[in-house]
Amino acid sequence: AQRVTQPEKLLSVFKGAPVELKCNYSYSGSPELFWYVQYSRQRLQLLLRHISRESIKGFTADLNKGETSFHLKKPFAQEEDSAMYYCALSGNTGFQKLVFGTGTRLLVSP
Amino acid sequence: SAVISQKPSRDICQRGTSLTIQCQVDSQVTMMFWYRQQPGQSLTLIATANQGSEATYESGFVIDKFPISRPNLTFSTLTVSNMSPEDSSIYLCSVTPGNIPGELFFGEGSRLTVL
Repeated sequence: AQRVTQPEKLLSVFKGAPVELKCNYSYSGSPELFWYVQYSRQRLQLLLRHISRESIKGFTADLNKGETSFHLKKPFAQEEDSAMYYCALSGNTGFQKLVFGTGTRLLVSP
Repeated sequence: SAVISQKPSRDICQRGTSLTIQCQVDSQVTMMFWYRQQPGQSLTLIATANQGSEATYESGFVIDKFPISRPNLTFSTLTVSNMSPEDSSIYLCSVTPGNIPGELFFGEGSRLTVL
């Protein structure tokens, strides 16, 4: 079975502090992992994909198959990073069908 | 990219009634997806709406409860039938234009409250 776990419902940090949003997954094959973000009053949107190995808005995420994790990191949080973040997994059913975690709300205070 | 419009954005419904949610996309897409997000829960895929064929439902979801139409490549509807308070959720339409694997575009969602 495919499962995504985000253990933290809320992560509160001060501006300039490092951020790490945790994501663990369960999948027997080779997964594709994604981070989606939902800013206040906006739609859910793709932030980044592990296969592209890119940094978006200063965020990076590395897939660790040994620990089955895909944590989202940013060295210096900004107030505009405050949002709901969802980790998602796609297995052998195709890229389009995603299994989402329950989400972590990131709150960056000035 | 794709712009998705969902209607209604929210509604309050009585137990036992049915409600149809509409999803309009500004471009032709092959696959459209319907997700449900119950309060405090994750997004759960209900079904994949395919044009010209019956929708494909995920485990735990059935056509009698969530009938779906897909008359063309830009439009789909999801009906929540014989509603109960447990159906109170946000229902989201999403599409994948296919340019970037795993990139879903979402509608604003339809927040249903069943009394």
